[in-house]
Amino acid sequence: EAQVTQNPRYLITVTGKKLTVTCSQNMNHEYMSWYRQDPGLGLRQIYYSMNVEVTDKGDVPEGYKVSRKEKRNFPLILESPSPNQTSLYFCASSPLAGEPERTYEQYFGPGTRLTVT
Amino acid sequence: DAKTTQPPSMDCAEGRAANLPCNHSTISGNEYVYWYRQIHSQGPQYIIHGLKNNETNEMASLIITEDRKSSTLILPHATLRDTAVYYCIVRPYNDMRFGAGTRLTVKP
Repeated sequence: EAQVTQNPRYLITVTGKKLTVTCSQNMNHEYMSWYRQDPGLGLRQIYYSMNVEVTDKGDVPEGYKVSRKEKRNFPLILESPSPNQTSLYFCASSPLAGEPERTYEQYFGPGTRLTVT
Repeated sequence: DAKTTQPPSMDCAEGRAANLPCNHSTISGNEYVYWYRQIHSQGPQYIIHGLKNNETNEMASLIITEDRKSSTLILPHATLRDTAVYYCIVRPYNDMRFGAGTRLTVKP
C-alpha cells in the first residue's frame, strides 16, 4: 500500500531532550516536506526537500533540523525541544513536477502529536 | 503568492450537494488551484486540482471561473463522512501553503 508513515505517533518529552521524528514513504517520491499544525494558525511548512541531499527552509524552520540521506526517509530533528514546539506534526511527499505545466498532489502521513513539558 | 479567501464555516444537508467557494483574485498564470480536506486531526487528504479547465474525479468537481479569480469545489452528494475542514490552495508546483480553510458540517 502506498503510504507515508511517521513514528512515533505520540510523544511526550521534556525541554532540552533531543528527539527525532521519522518519516518514510514507499512511493519513490522526490519531494518531501514537514508541517506543523497549531490551533488558529493552520498548517505551516517547516522544511522541505526536493531530492536526496537537497533541503530548504519553509516558513517556520527555527528550532528544527532535517536530513535527506535516502530518498524514502526525511527525519525531523529537534536538537533542544522547547514547550513552544508542542504541536501536531505532519510529513508529506509527492512526485516532483519536472515541467512547469505539471504538478502533483501531496500525500500526508497520519501525524505525530508532540508535547514538550 | 496568490492568497485565498474561504468562508470559515458552512453547513450542508446529507445527500445534498456541498458547494464550497474560494476566492483567489491575485492568482497568476502558472498557479494551480488545489483542494485538500482534513478530517478531525488526520493528515490532509488531496481532493482535486486544476489550472484553467473544470475538473472532475471520483470525489468531487472543481469549477474554475474563466478569469480564474475564483473557484468552487462541489461534493455532489455529501455524506456525514465529508464533515471536515476544506482547504483551497493556490500555488505553483509542489509548494503548499494552507490557510484556515472552510469547516464543512454535513448534517443528517
